[in-house]
Amino acid sequence: EAGVTQFPSHSVIEKGQTVTLRCDPISGHDNLYWYRRVMGKEIKFLLHFVKESKQDESGMPNNRFLAERTGGTYSTLKVQPAELEDSGVYFCASSHAGPLAGGNEQFFGPGTRLTVL
Amino acid sequence: KQEVTQIPAALSVPEGENLVLNCSFTDSAIYNLQWFRQDPGKGLTSLLLIQSSQREQTSGRLNASLDKSSGRSTLYIAASQPGDSATYLCAVRRSNYQLIWGAGTKLIIKP
Repeated sequence: EAGVTQFPSHSVIEKGQTVTLRCDPISGHDNLYWYRRVMGKEIKFLLHFVKESKQDESGMPNNRFLAERTGGTYSTLKVQPAELEDSGVYFCASSHAGPLAGGNEQFFGPGTRLTVL
Repeated sequence: KQEVTQIPAALSVPEGENLVLNCSFTDSAIYNLQWFRQDPGKGLTSLLLIQSSQREQTSGRLNASLDKSSGRSTLYIAASQPGDSATYLCAVRRSNYQLIWGAGTKLIIKP
C-alpha cells in the first residue's frame, strides 16, 4: 500500500509568487492534515479535512493560504502571494479512523520544502 | 495551552548503548502520544503510538512508556546502532485531532 505522497519535494519561488503544494493521502483515509515546520521552530498544525470538508483550519496563518480537497481525495495547499516567512517544510498526514478515536495514527508524507526568496 | 518539551535537545552515544529520550507535556488530557523519527532531508516516520489508556508500547528494540499523571513519556532504545541516528520527535493529541509537537532530540550513534 502506498504511503502519503507529496509534490513537489522542493520548491523555490520569489516573494509575491504563487505556489501550490499537493498531497495524496493513503487510500481510504478520510482524514487529511497539513502541518508545517519553519526554521528553528516546532512543527505546527495548519488544518484538518474530513473527506472534502474542512474540519478545522484554526492553524492557518492568514488568508494567503488556501487549502482544498476536491472529492475527498488529494489535497492542495496554495500560498498566494508567498512571503519570506512562509519558507519551511510543509507536511501532509492522513489517518483512517474518525477524529475522536483515540488510536488513529497519523501517517506522514515526506514533506515539501518551500523556499521563498 | 498544551506545551511539549523534549530533553535533551541532542545526544551522542557509542554504538551498543541503551538510551532514553524524554518527552514531557503540560496538560495530561491527551488522547494519545506518538513518537516519530526524522532522517535528514526526509519525512516523518511513525515509530510508536501510545493511547491514553496504555502505559507502554514496544516495537523491536524500541519501548515507549506513558505516564499521563506526571505528563511524561520516554522512548527507550536498546542496543543502539548507527542506523538509529536521526531526530526523534514526540507529539501529543488532545481531544481534537491536532498533534502538538516537541522540538525533537537529535541522536547520534557513534560507531
